[in-house]
This record gives sequence, structure tokens and C-alpha cells, in this order.
Amino acid sequence: NSKVIQTPRYLVKGQGQKAKMRCIPEKGHPVVFWYQQNKNNEFKFLINFQNQEVLQQIDMTEKRFSAECPSNSPCSLEIQSSEAGDSALYLCASSLRRHQAPLFGEGTRLSVL
Amino acid sequence: GDSVTQTEGQVALSEEDFLTIHCNYSASGYPTLFWYVQYPGEGPQLLFRASRDKEKGSSRGFEATYDKGTTSFHLRKASVQESDSAVYYCALRITGNTGKLIFGLGTTLQVQP
Repeated sequence: NSKVIQTPRYLVKGQGQKAKMRCIPEKGHPVVFWYQQNKNNEFKFLINFQNQEVLQQIDMTEKRFSAECPSNSPCSLEIQSSEAGDSALYLCASSLRRHQAPLFGEGTRLSVL
Repeated sequence: GDSVTQTEGQVALSEEDFLTIHCNYSASGYPTLFWYVQYPGEGPQLLFRASRDKEKGSSRGFEATYDKGTTSFHLRKASVQESDSAVYYCALRITGNTGKLIFGLGTTLQVQP
């Protein structure tokens, strides 16, 4: 089955700790998205890439969030210093073209204690 | 700003009931509308999309017609099954953006046998 692979499925961190999650997009999909889904089911777009280049990202002025999609390696999303409010489901999605409906992974559920 | 409103937060039905979930949107540009379904522990799955006025999308017995005049994309199913129990999201993408989706808050459908 075609799918987007996200690891780990669950991630538990203490406040102030670094949290890193990875995503392998569907084979051949150069466009990758990261969304945060909170406990109220609200989706927040974080960033997207086409190949290794950032297309759009939210204002990460706190600089705690960083993401990359290096060639021939999984994409990753990292939170430098986790806060309780970061507890959420982080969803990675990929598509063949920007304007195709993205295919979502199962997500990484982050709990910050 | 661009937004999606789903009127129903939760819907409880019995098997074979008719389903309607309302979705209205506000768009700064030319929109494409989507319906996604999310089962527990999984990422959202695309049901279908529509991008032209009066275009109908359909999948698995679900259907919706994009109505530009009323800025709506209501989801309907004639006869629901217990297996349809899930969270349904209406989403919007603006043509010309980087592919980012804007999601509604979701509608939780619970179908009793």
C-alpha cells in the first residue's frame, strides 16, 4: 500500500527537552507538508517543502520549531525545547504536485509532561 | 481571511439514516474544496475534492456539490453504516498558494447499529 511513514508513533518528552520526529513521504512525492493537530481537532499548518526547499512556513519566531527535507533522507520536524502546549498529533503529508490532494501519514503523537 | 466552517460538531445517527454535514467557506481567491475522513489512530484520508462551481465529488457513498453561490460544500450520504463512524473534515485550498490546506474543526459522526 502506498503510504507516508511517520516515526515514532508516540513521543513523550519533558518540558525543555528536544523532540524530533521523522517522515518518509510516499515514493516519488516531492511535496511534503507538516501539520499540527491539537486535542480539539484543530489543524495548524506548520511548513511545506518541495524537494529540499521550503515553500511556506508559519512564523516560527520562537525558533523552537525547525524542519528539513534533505535529499535521500527522511524529512524531520524538531522542537528544540518542548512546552506543554506542544502536545499534539503531528501529521506529515506528501503529494506529487503542490495542488494535488496530499496523502497523510498516521502521525506522531507528542506528549510533553 | 480564508476559513472553513463546519456547523455540526457532533452528529449521532442510526444505521441507514441520512447524513448531512454542513460546510461553508470563505476564500480570498479561487478555491478547491476537500472532504477528508479520519478514523481513530489514523491520519486523514481523502474522500474527494471539487474545484469548479456545481462540481460533484463522490466516494464510498458520500457526495458533496461545490456551490460557489452559497460558498458551500455540504457532505451527504443516503444511508450511513456503523463503519462510517469517524471524524469528517472539510478543507479549503486557494489556487496559487503553496498547497496549504485550511481545515474546518471537524464533525464527529457516531452511528449506532
